[in-house]
Amino acid sequence: SQTIHQWPATLVQPVGSPLSLECTVEGTSNPNLYWYRQAAGRGLQLLFYSVGIGQISSEVPQNLSASRPQDRQFILSSKKLLLSDSGFYLCAWSDGGGYTFGSGTRLTVV
Amino acid sequence: AQSVSQHNHHVILSEAASLELGCNYSYGGTVNLFWYVQYPGQHLQLLLKYFSGDPLVKGIKGFEAEFIKSKFSFNLRKPSVQWSDTAEYFCAVNLLTSGGSYIPTFGRGTSLIVHP
Repeated sequence: SQTIHQWPATLVQPVGSPLSLECTVEGTSNPNLYWYRQAAGRGLQLLFYSVGIGQISSEVPQNLSASRPQDRQFILSSKKLLLSDSGFYLCAWSDGGGYTFGSGTRLTVV
Repeated sequence: AQSVSQHNHHVILSEAASLELGCNYSYGGTVNLFWYVQYPGQHLQLLLKYFSGDPLVKGIKGFEAEFIKSKFSFNLRKPSVQWSDTAEYFCAVNLLTSGGSYIPTFGRGTSLIVHP
């Protein structure tokens, strides 16, 4: 069966530090992968999606970037975190039949 | 631009009351529609989905939704809610682009509180 792993679960980082959040999927090949940010009262904001290795589409301009070095690995990064990057980040995968979400990462930038 | 609107941001009901949460989208092309639920402290879970066929979709835990194409709507319903239905509910629209990719868009969510 397909599973999705996302880590770390929580992260506290100082302003200006780098960020790397990792997401891996098991049990499927060539999934569509997504990074979302969830904010209270704002729902889920799509940040990036990828339909294949090395293919990244950005939905909103921001301080973050994404990479897909392997078929089932999706990484969210930043070179220098801002306070406004604090939030709850969710990874998801889809084969067109719906989305399966990871458990999320609570990022606090201090 | 495509968008998904959930008009009810906060809903408070008593147990056994009926529920209807509104969801409208703005897109005229091929769409797939979903409702997700997030219970306190838990992952987002799929409640139900519509791809084609019968526009009345049955989901888990007694939920159903009706796709009305002419109204661009996909409202979620439950005839009798329980305290355990307290959660955040998200409507989502999966848009099929000409390039063959699915572009997912979520509504802002509706917070449902059910009083025992």
